[in-house]
Amino acid sequence: AQSVAQPEDQVNVAEGNPLTVKCTYSVSGNPYLFWYVQYPNRGLQFLLKYITGDNLVKGSYGFEAEFNKSQTSFHLKKPSALVSDSALYFCAVRVSNSGYALNFGKGTSLLVTP
Amino acid sequence: NAGVTQTPKFQVLKTGQSMTLQCAQDMNHEYMSWYRQDPGMGLRLIHYSVGAGITDQGEVPNGYNVSRSTTEDFPLRLLSAAPSQTSVYFCASSYSRGQGGDTQYFGPGTRLTVL
Repeated sequence: AQSVAQPEDQVNVAEGNPLTVKCTYSVSGNPYLFWYVQYPNRGLQFLLKYITGDNLVKGSYGFEAEFNKSQTSFHLKKPSALVSDSALYFCAVRVSNSGYALNFGKGTSLLVTP
Repeated sequence: NAGVTQTPKFQVLKTGQSMTLQCAQDMNHEYMSWYRQDPGMGLRLIHYSVGAGITDQGEVPNGYNVSRSTTEDFPLRLLSAAPSQTSVYFCASSYSRGQGGDTQYFGPGTRLTVL
């Protein structure tokens, strides 16, 4: 089964510092990986995706993610965190044989302090 | 474009009542899906549709029905509400293209409480 895991429930970082939100995956075949962000009382917003090609994927709001096949990871990164980045972040993987459905991780709450 | 819209935003039901959560999109997306979000569990797929007239079950379909009579609409029906269905429900849509599919767009959610 296609699945992702987010090992951290919460990540705390000071504004201006680099941030990393971790995600590991378990898939058979080629993984199609996504990052979404959820602000309080809002729906999910797409940040970036990895389908194929370059291992470093750039997305919205200055975020990027590095696909690492040997470590089966797809960590989300940003060089300099903003207070407004505080939100709930979800890693997801496309599910085989379910249209374009996604399996989501449990989410990581990011808190950026001034 | 309004994107993906969901109604109602909030709903309180009593056990055993039925209701329909509405979802509509104006982007001519082929693919639509319903998820529920519970604390500490991420989002779980309930049902999905790859086009009008075609639906299938996801990870947690029990207690829910769907139909897709038009491209735009994908309602979710709770047949007999149970407290275990207390959750936040999200509808999503996307084009069906490419191996990885296209970006999914999510609605604002419906917060449902079953007493």
